[in-house]
Amino acid sequence: QQQVKQSPQSLIVQKGGISIINCAYENTAFDYFPWYQQFPGKGPALLIAIRPDVSEKKEGRFTISFNKSAKQFSLHIMDSQPGDSATYFCAASIGTSGSARQLTFGSGTQLTVLP
Amino acid sequence: DAGVTQSPTHLIKTRGQHVTLRCSPISGHKSVSWYQQVLGQGPQFIFQYYEKEERGRGNFPDRFSARQFPNYSSELNVNALLLGDSALYLCASSQDSGANVLTFGAGSRLTVL
Repeated sequence: QQQVKQSPQSLIVQKGGISIINCAYENTAFDYFPWYQQFPGKGPALLIAIRPDVSEKKEGRFTISFNKSAKQFSLHIMDSQPGDSATYFCAASIGTSGSARQLTFGSGTQLTVLP
Repeated sequence: DAGVTQSPTHLIKTRGQHVTLRCSPISGHKSVSWYQQVLGQGPQFIFQYYEKEERGRGNFPDRFSARQFPNYSSELNVNALLLGDSALYLCASSQDSGANVLTFGAGSRLTVL
């Protein structure tokens, strides 16, 4: 029930195209859904995040769409650029007073944007 | 501003050995979390420490232990290393235990032969 399932495993898009990565979860107690971007040799870096009371959040070229009833959320990268080539992870966590906010990560999507 | 710093960056051990990994959080951050990232997978939660107390533990065997020091830096210890412990070990810091935003370090790449 703690699992977050992510697809696709890999994605190749042309420069200027739209990249879409999907995630699904089971645990309805999750209350925070971040996306992380990881470049080779680096740690994951927070890209954008959303709470379940919002259906969409946009920051620049990055948008999260959230469907609470379907227990799914997705990352859309508009006007994809070669510099966006990285591994993307969705994650989810539960906030419990006095306890750690543990992130449960998806398995990752390796995005390649062709010039 | 210095981010989360981890050491060593790479290390090679043999089965049965012990390893200690170190992490210095962002200045002002009091919480440190450890994650294990096996090649091709997402990070998996190991521990969180806040104000030197363990606040959360993931599904890892007792061979894994950690501690946090008064200056908020942290160590992750793994005893009796197995081949399956080969992974990137990530440290993340946050301002407090319930904070949403985690800032990750670049990790320590452990190879067990």
